[in-house]
Amino acid sequence: DGGITQSPKYLFRKEGQNVTLSCEQNLNHDAMYWYRQDPGQGLRLIYYSQIVNDFQKGDIAEGYSVSREKKESFPLTVTSAQKNPTAFYLCASSILAGFTDTQYFGPGTRLTVL
Amino acid sequence: AQSVTQLGSHVSVSEGALVLLRCNYSSSVPPYLFWYVQYPNQGLQLLLKYTTGATLVKGINGFEAEFKKSETSFHLTKPSAHMSDAAEYFCAVSEGATSYGKLTFGQGTILTVHP
Repeated sequence: DGGITQSPKYLFRKEGQNVTLSCEQNLNHDAMYWYRQDPGQGLRLIYYSQIVNDFQKGDIAEGYSVSREKKESFPLTVTSAQKNPTAFYLCASSILAGFTDTQYFGPGTRLTVL
Repeated sequence: AQSVTQLGSHVSVSEGALVLLRCNYSSSVPPYLFWYVQYPNQGLQLLLKYTTGATLVKGINGFEAEFKKSETSFHLTKPSAHMSDAAEYFCAVSEGATSYGKLTFGQGTILTVHP
């Protein structure tokens, strides 16, 4: 089945540690996105990528980093510079960035920093 | 710049009653508009979207929304609520090529359905 997978579903880390969240898609989509979700705040865009080896900052990129070495994969690293990393993280993909195509979402990763 | 306001963070209805979730947007160009639904601890699923053409858009699970340019609104409705409709709903706007396809989401509306 085609879709977007995110792993792990739940992640616990100690404060000050970097952590990498996985996002893989087999939909052959060009664009991929990372969002952060906090209660009552909707989804906020962290980073997005339209093609391999290229990505742009979203609205809240500080304390995060990404890579796009393969079309299918768009991992997100939450660094120790992110002041409040506990949140629900959602990855999405779409056929073409910049147009009318729907973004399809993965099941999310809930990160808790202790 | 694009933005979305969802009026009412919580909406409660009885089973069988009309569902109305409100969404107003701001956009500097003709917008593309979306409604997504999220069940607890899951990702988002597309309900419906408006790009161009007919202003009344029908989606999955009996939902529909009407694009009203003069009111800058895209309210979501369903004639008869079902218990399975209980979830959080997000309205989103895109300015298409102008915004590189980026979506801006509203804060979300939690729908509760009472028996």
